[in-house]
Amino acid sequence: GQQVMQIPQYQHVQEGEDFTTYCNSSTTLSNIQWYKQRPGGHPVFLIQLVKSGEVKKQKRLTFQFGEAKKNSSLHITATQTTDVGTYFCAGPPSYGKLTFGQGTILTVHP
Amino acid sequence: DTGVSQDPRHKITKRGQNVTFRCDPISEHNRLYWYRQTLGQGPEFLTYFQNEAQLEKSRLLSDRFSAERPKGSFSTLEIQRTEQGDSAMYLCASSLAPGHLSYEQYFGPGTRLTVT
Repeated sequence: GQQVMQIPQYQHVQEGEDFTTYCNSSTTLSNIQWYKQRPGGHPVFLIQLVKSGEVKKQKRLTFQFGEAKKNSSLHITATQTTDVGTYFCAGPPSYGKLTFGQGTILTVHP
Repeated sequence: DTGVSQDPRHKITKRGQNVTFRCDPISEHNRLYWYRQTLGQGPEFLTYFQNEAQLEKSRLLSDRFSAERPKGSFSTLEIQRTEQGDSAMYLCASSLAPGHLSYEQYFGPGTRLTVT
């Protein structure tokens, strides 16, 4: 079945440093979604990428979808303590249910 | 609050007991999903409904698990003869059906199950 691998599993940064998490799928994805889960919270949708090579920005967050639609990345510029949480990518092999990566846990030290 | 709600938020039960969880999705969403999440892992898909039809079930969903969405609105997830390995956070999510421009999933707060 489809697998979505995410690296790194953990990332510790000093406030102000940049952060990147990578997501790789064993199959081509029709689209990919990114979610953030705060400690003790539930996943919250961040963005959806659909087109090959797509790049989207949300303030300090930059999301990319690979040309082959099998990988994606999330980059945060100048992290803040409010960025703490687990970032998940999730993809469907076709439209429907999501397969989540195992997530990257981001810790930001003030 | 017009988000996804789940009840109860916490459930402690003894091994062998049956438990039932409820999910109320966002009212205009016709898709409803159940996931299970254990510590340090991403949510694992269990099953989903489009309206009242259960369209897919994961192999993770043993015959002790059953889900219903009788009127295409709220859903229940029942676990019979609970085992300690069932301890997890059970998340419900809802979305519009594919074909819409964006069908991101909105998650509820989850029901944390502890089986002793």
